[in-house]
Amino acid sequence: KQEVTQIPAALSVPEGENLVLNCSFTDSAIYNLQWFRQDPGKGLTSLLLIQSSQREQTSGRLNASLDKSSGRSTLYIAASQPGDSATYLCAPQNSGYSTLTFGKGTMLLVSP
Amino acid sequence: ETGVTQSPTHLIKTRGQQVTLRCSSQSGHNTVSWYQQALGQGPQFIFQYYREEENGRGNFPPRFSGLQFPNYSSELNVNALELDDSALYLCASTTGGSVDTQYFGPGTRLTVL
Repeated sequence: KQEVTQIPAALSVPEGENLVLNCSFTDSAIYNLQWFRQDPGKGLTSLLLIQSSQREQTSGRLNASLDKSSGRSTLYIAASQPGDSATYLCAPQNSGYSTLTFGKGTMLLVSP
Repeated sequence: ETGVTQSPTHLIKTRGQQVTLRCSSQSGHNTVSWYQQALGQGPQFIFQYYREEENGRGNFPPRFSGLQFPNYSSELNVNALELDDSALYLCASTTGGSVDTQYFGPGTRLTVL
């Protein structure tokens, strides 16, 4: 059974800082891994998807890396902004039928 | 926005009642998954439908059931509601391939009193 841990659980930083959010998972036999953003009480917004054969993906100020063998992924946020404040969730996909296993997320607060 | 819609937005029920939640998947997507997210937790997989058939199920009791229609929209039904069923219910759609991004709807907030 896949288990996902995200560290830290919460993070508060001033605007402009570069951040690293960590995700670890117990079963390395994954197809891919997605990072999501969730605003309070809202649905999930997909940020990045990394295939199991890839090492990293970039989108704007976001960069996600994947080390499948060690069961780790990191989300790097450059030059953080107050609008980045949200909960960030990582979710590896193990089976061929597209189900995701989520961690509890990292709650990020970026202050002006 | 993802193109995945859910209704209703909010719902209040009492213990023992039944509820139906609806999801309209993104155009071109034939796979819908449902997740339950309790407060402060990550989403938990309930089940998935692929081309109108249940294609996988998480650790949820049989009183959680679902349907997928020919247009690939979906319903989640919960019978005999319990207080612990209070949560945000999310649906996600994808094309069904193992390499595809999943797109989530805004969710339905269910409160059971």
